[in-house]
Amino acid sequence: AQTVTQSQPEMSVQEAETVTLSCTYDTSESDYYLFWYKQPPSRQMILVIRQEAYKQQNATENRFSVNFQKAAKSFSLKISDSQLGDAAMYFCAYRSNRDDKIIFGKGTRLHILP
Amino acid sequence: EADIYQTPRYLVIGTGKKITLECSQTMGHDKMYWYQQDPGMELHLIHYSYGVNSTEKGDLSSESTVSRIRTEHFPLTLESARPSHTSQYLCASSVLGRVGTGELFFGEGSRLTVL
Repeated sequence: AQTVTQSQPEMSVQEAETVTLSCTYDTSESDYYLFWYKQPPSRQMILVIRQEAYKQQNATENRFSVNFQKAAKSFSLKISDSQLGDAAMYFCAYRSNRDDKIIFGKGTRLHILP
Repeated sequence: EADIYQTPRYLVIGTGKKITLECSQTMGHDKMYWYQQDPGMELHLIHYSYGVNSTEKGDLSSESTVSRIRTEHFPLTLESARPSHTSQYLCASSVLGRVGTGELFFGEGSRLTVL
């Protein structure tokens, strides 16, 4: 069975600094998606970034980028130039293209220090 | 901004009451989900649907029930609410299978408190 592990329940970063959130996963499949979602306090969960497993190039969305290591089954999220609005719960997620199953990690709460 | 809506956003009710949490999406997505989010923020899948007249139980056992009579509508019902049902409930939708980006679109959530 697939699993997603976020080993950092909470993290803090100074405003304007860079932070990396860790995510590892376990699967025997080769065709899947990986996602990072952001859930601000009392607000809607939104997609931050997605990665297709067959693409070797790491996805980037403005200040957000991933380090996708398929062999190591690692999918970390780097946030550059952290802003106060980045404070949120961040969830790593895996989606199988075989059976459409979605697995979420337990989340990492990110605090931004002014 | 995703076109998926949940009502009510907040609900406080007494034990034994019947409640329905509404979820609607205007994106024409086939697949819809209900997640229960515990105080530690972990997400637990309680129900999902592949389309009209399809409902499946998720990984976490729940006393709630769901229905899918229309593609856009996926309500969750508790026949007799108890304090243990107090939680945040998130509705989500997605395109089925490999079509599209694979992402889930979430509603804003319904926070239920049972006294």
